[in-house]
Amino acid sequence: NAGVTQTPKFQVLKTGQSMTLQCAQDMNHNSMYWYRQDPGMGLRLIYYSASEGTTDKGEVPNGYNVSRLNKREFSLRLESAAPSQTSVYFCASNPGEPGEQYFGPGTRLTVT
Amino acid sequence: GIQVEQSPPDLILQEGANSTLRCNFSDSVNNLQWFHQNPWGQLINLFYIPSGTKQNGRLSATTVATERYSLLYISSSQTTDSGVYFCAVGNSNSGYALNFGKGTSLLVTP
Repeated sequence: NAGVTQTPKFQVLKTGQSMTLQCAQDMNHNSMYWYRQDPGMGLRLIYYSASEGTTDKGEVPNGYNVSRLNKREFSLRLESAAPSQTSVYFCASNPGEPGEQYFGPGTRLTVT
Repeated sequence: GIQVEQSPPDLILQEGANSTLRCNFSDSVNNLQWFHQNPWGQLINLFYIPSGTKQNGRLSATTVATERYSLLYISSSQTTDSGVYFCAVGNSNSGYALNFGKGTSLLVTP
């Protein structure tokens, strides 16, 4: 039981490049989330998926797209990376009802 | 979203001391969690505690949902307790997504 996994762990991009961050969970959870954490701050919600086939914007969605590929997988895409997107990205899941949310190990992204 | 305020922002303790961290939030919640972020950036679940009191070893937490606050108690602190402690809350309005406070940065010295 791996919980929530994320790939890659580290990534360096040049401004304007694109990439997709991958996330998968093996807990049969309905809801999945993408957050970003900037230095000295708490996590902020980018997008979430309350169930397979649905996605909704969070607090900071600009510059990102998401895909809920199936119940297990939720990907985050940066179409044209900007230095302001330098951050640590966390994926999370929970059952989709009041309950404990579990986080992946994070992806550290640097955009130069 | 729900506003979350944590205090104190920074805390330095000598090993063996006790401490209380506070979390205030601005709306009714169904989810409340405390996390420890270690120096490697990993988020460790400490408590899922939307109401009531829980204990796990030297750590305990209490949430008074009607008054919109939660407390995390650390007793007999150890150097391995160092890191940032986050409180995060959520409700059904945004699919139980969590709203995080800015954290309490704890340093435990030998």
